[in-house]
Amino acid sequence: GQNIDQPTEMTATEGAIVQINCTYQTSGFNGLFWYQQHAGEAPTFLSYNVLDGLEEKGRFSSFLSRSKGYSYLLLKELQMKDSASYLCAVMDSNYQLIWGAGTKLIIKP
Amino acid sequence: IAGITQAPTSQILAAGRRMTLRCTQDMRHNAMYWYRQDLGLGLRLIHYSNTAGTTGKGEVPDGYSVSRANTDDFPLTLASAVPSQTSVYFCASSDSVAGGDTGELFFGEGSRLTVL
Repeated sequence: GQNIDQPTEMTATEGAIVQINCTYQTSGFNGLFWYQQHAGEAPTFLSYNVLDGLEEKGRFSSFLSRSKGYSYLLLKELQMKDSASYLCAVMDSNYQLIWGAGTKLIIKP
Repeated sequence: IAGITQAPTSQILAAGRRMTLRCTQDMRHNAMYWYRQDLGLGLRLIHYSNTAGTTGKGEVPDGYSVSRANTDDFPLTLASAVPSQTSVYFCASSDSVAGGDTGELFFGEGSRLTVL
């Protein structure tokens, strides 16, 4: 079966750095996505990786290793507004998105 | 800029009743999707439409139906609601079947449905 694993919850301190990991097993691979979802709101797109390596976008970076079935989302200079759930999703060979359950990130002052 | 609009925002429904969740987008996106989100689970695809006039079944289609009469509208119907359909429902769209170059899905604000 297809599976996306990510930690259920993480806690970090304002101003620090946090890395949220995602491992996947899917039927084919057409890209990996990270979305941010604040409580009670819709998910919003953060990043897309289809080739191995690091993609940097401001305070957020996303890394992909296709051979290891692994990705991480790196958040730097954490702010209180970064408290949210972070969803990892993989597009399989049929171009269907398979979603992880999300990682709830709690930022403490 | 509206993006995707869902209605109603929330609804409490008696089991056995029929319910339609509405979804409208103004971005002229070809592909539209309905997901349900339950605590502890990832987003699960109910139905999708790659273009107006076509629909397909997702991971959890039973008990739900959709139609795509035009590009903008993609309503989701529960013919006879059951308590297990209590969930938050998200409509989403993208500008291509594969989600476009960035793979970006645009989501509506969600419809919280409670079936008693």
